Amino acid sequence: NAGVTQTPKFQVLKTGQSMTLQCAQDMNHNSMYWYRQDPGMGLRLIYYSASEGTTDKGEVPNGYNVSRLNKREFSLRLESAAPSQTSVYFCASSRQSSSYEQYFGPGTRLTVT
Amino acid sequence: QKEVEQNSGPLSVPEGAIASLNCTYSDRVSQSFFWYRQYSGKSPELIMSIYSNGDKEDGRFTAQLNKASQYVSLLIRDSQPSDSATYLCAVNFGNEKLTFGTGTRLTIIP
Repeated sequence: NAGVTQTPKFQVLKTGQSMTLQCAQDMNHNSMYWYRQDPGMGLRLIYYSASEGTTDKGEVPNGYNVSRLNKREFSLRLESAAPSQTSVYFCASSRQSSSYEQYFGPGTRLTVT
Repeated sequence: QKEVEQNSGPLSVPEGAIASLNCTYSDRVSQSFFWYRQYSGKSPELIMSIYSNGDKEDGRFTAQLNKASQYVSLLIRDSQPSDSATYLCAVNFGNEKLTFGTGTRLTIIP
């Protein structure tokens, strides 16, 4: 049982390049989330998917798109990377009960030059 | 705007003492509360969840919830150097999301 997995672990992009961050969970969770974490800013929600087939914007969605490919997989795409998107990105999932406990993947450290 | 506030620290506590971490939140309509531990360079790890007023104990950790005063706290007894980390408070404000505080950095001094 791997929990939540993310690829890649590290990535360096040039401004204007695109890339997709991959996330998968094997806990049969309904909800999945993408966060970014910057020093002093805490975890900020980019997008989330409450269930397969639905996605919603979070606090900081600009410059990102997401795809809920199936119940297990939720990807985050940067169409034209900017230096302001340099951050650590975490994917999380939850069972979607009244509690909404979330479990996090190991993260992707992205640098945009 | 629903908010979660934490003192950023750093909070320094001698080894073996009790570490006390506090969190306040802005909305009385809050259903569930969580504490996450995050080591430097690692992802957040869920260590405690609490849903009703009062105390909840798990090993050396105790979460305390006071909905009337809108605060939740985490006590760590017999603090160990391995407890040195950033502790994130998270609140579910009645939707599918969690709102996180910015975290308190805890250092246990041997």
